[in-house]
Amino acid sequence: GAGVSQTPSNKVTEKGKYVELRCDPISGHTALYWYRQSLGQGPEFLIYFQGTGAADDSGLPNDRFFAVRPEGSVSTLKIQRTERGDSAVYLCASSLWGTTGDTQYFGPGTRLTVL
Amino acid sequence: QKEVEQNSGPLSVPEGAIASLNCTYSDRGSQSFFWYRQYSGKSPELIMSIYSNGDKEDGRFTAQLNKASQYVSLLIRDSQPSDSATYLCAVNSERTYKYIFGTGTRLKVLA
Repeated sequence: GAGVSQTPSNKVTEKGKYVELRCDPISGHTALYWYRQSLGQGPEFLIYFQGTGAADDSGLPNDRFFAVRPEGSVSTLKIQRTERGDSAVYLCASSLWGTTGDTQYFGPGTRLTVL
Repeated sequence: QKEVEQNSGPLSVPEGAIASLNCTYSDRGSQSFFWYRQYSGKSPELIMSIYSNGDKEDGRFTAQLNKASQYVSLLIRDSQPSDSATYLCAVNSERTYKYIFGTGTRLKVLA
């Protein structure tokens, strides 16, 4: 079956602009995670959805970052007033239940470059 | 102190040797432990998961967990050049359900 998909694969924007990154999880997976990965670092947790609700958004760096999952499937990560420091690969992952030990499957990522 | 620590490497081993990758974690409430492999420019893919103390083997890979020492390792036997990648350790706690990743260890298998 289809894996996790993310669009766009690459996004170049100018400082101060607004961007939206989309994640389409594996069908039937209730849990969805967003991570940010900078060069030479491991994925950094941003937010975790269980169904439609954000169960844990403690990793969002500030109020410029926001994510939604209105129907419990596709999720959108929104970044307002982008800054050069937001440049990174944004990874989405999904898992069946989101319980401890549940396997996460990662999408290919969106590479965001803020000029 | 970082929550999950790994030596960034690179760790270089000759083809056919055993590669040993290590990870320590700080949260004693951690219950699930994962090793991911990430090739350059690609997303992480799951290699092994381990939940109980001891060893877990899957093909050429063995994960080892010691909760008392807060230590988890990955052994790769008969290393191949295709194993050259960054190996990420991830830890999950029942309290938060979020996964904390280490910075990864870059492995280079020399032909």
